[in-house]
Amino acid sequence: DAGVTQSPTHLIKTRGQQVTLRCSPKSGHDTVSWYQQALGQGPQFIFQYYEEEERQRGNFPDRFSGHQFPNYSSELNVNALLLGDSALYLCASSLQRDLYEQYFGPGTRLTVT
Amino acid sequence: GENVEQHPSTLSVQEGDSAVIKCTYSDSASNYFPWYKQELGKRPQLIIDIRSNVGEKKDQRIAVTLNKTAKHFSLHITETQPEDSAVYFCAATDSGNFGNEKLTFGTGTRLTIIP
Repeated sequence: DAGVTQSPTHLIKTRGQQVTLRCSPKSGHDTVSWYQQALGQGPQFIFQYYEEEERQRGNFPDRFSGHQFPNYSSELNVNALLLGDSALYLCASSLQRDLYEQYFGPGTRLTVT
Repeated sequence: GENVEQHPSTLSVQEGDSAVIKCTYSDSASNYFPWYKQELGKRPQLIIDIRSNVGEKKDQRIAVTLNKTAKHFSLHITETQPEDSAVYFCAATDSGNFGNEKLTFGTGTRLTIIP
């Protein structure tokens, strides 16, 4: 049973650039949530996707956008990168009928220089 | 929206002793409270959770208690072992739109077990 996977593992970008992060949910899960975890902090909710639509969004600017594909995998895009976007980006998958149990992927460590 | 506060931020416990981490939440509509363990450089892993219709839940050495009136919940680890050393996060559902709950996390507790 495949767990949540994310790619790439690490990424270094320059201010102003754009980045795309990818997530494949746990087998059988249909909902993907994205979180940003700054160093020493708890994960902060960015947005959640179900049926290829953004269902809920946290307090993040429009520079953060996403997509969900028919196979339930998802992408997180960040435009016009800022130094403050440096963080661990976590993807969590769950079942829409039971959103409570969320399983996290290993994360993508993004460094903006 | 939901606000979750977690205490203490760091905790050192002698091996074999108990550890307690406490969280408070603000949204009385929250109804699911998970605890995650995150080891250095690894993903958060769900270790135990509790729903609002239950006051206490136990899984071997780990237990969680919930007081809905006071809006706080706690993680209890007994007979601590070196492998319990990690950062622990509490979380609560932020009800938002029904059926699209998201988790709001506390700021974490770094637990160190002293051999």
